Amino acid sequence: KAGVTQTPRYLIKTRGQQVTLSCSPISGHRSVSWYQQTPGQGLQFLFEYFSETQRNKGNFPGRFSGRQFSNSRSEMNVSTLELGDSALYLCASSWDRSQETQYFGPGTRLLVL
Amino acid sequence: GENVEQHPSTLSVQEGDSAVIKCTYSDSASNYFPWYKQELGKGPQLIIDIRSNVGEKKDQRIAVTLNKTAKHFSLHITETQPEDSAVYFCAAHSYNQGGKLIFGQGTELSVKP
Repeated sequence: KAGVTQTPRYLIKTRGQQVTLSCSPISGHRSVSWYQQTPGQGLQFLFEYFSETQRNKGNFPGRFSGRQFSNSRSEMNVSTLELGDSALYLCASSWDRSQETQYFGPGTRLLVL
Repeated sequence: GENVEQHPSTLSVQEGDSAVIKCTYSDSASNYFPWYKQELGKGPQLIIDIRSNVGEKKDQRIAVTLNKTAKHFSLHITETQPEDSAVYFCAAHSYNQGGKLIFGQGTELSVKP
């Protein structure tokens, strides 16, 4: 069974631009969570989707948004990029809405110049 | 809310020695505790997990122990090998947090040949 896939793997943007990242969960998994990973802050929870509904949201500004499609694939969008948004963005999928056992993708490395 | 503290932040051992990483959590309602290994350039990989109704779990050279009373859990790696070198994250899952994982800050383990 294929693992979690994320595209693109690397991205360079400039301040003020917006970006969309994509995540395809493990086949059959219906829940997707997004995390931001930085050296100073570790793994910070962004939001979680189950059956196309956002069920939980972390403490990030409204510039960070996401959605989930009927096939469980998910996208996250960051508008008006800031230098501090440079990070590894990780997507994790799980079987059900309990969100316990999560499997991570390789991440998208975003660099904002 | 839930807070997970992880120690040490860095750990260096000789090949063949044992390594122990410790985590404490604050929410007594937390009931699921996974450990992840993250190698350079990759997403976190689930290596072992434990539920609150179990005190210890082993998988070959890896073991996890849980003390619910003291609210701490530990990862034990025996007979360490250079390929064990990575960053290890502990996490706690709590329904009080809307069913999300809260991660520790990570431990960078270096196994010297």
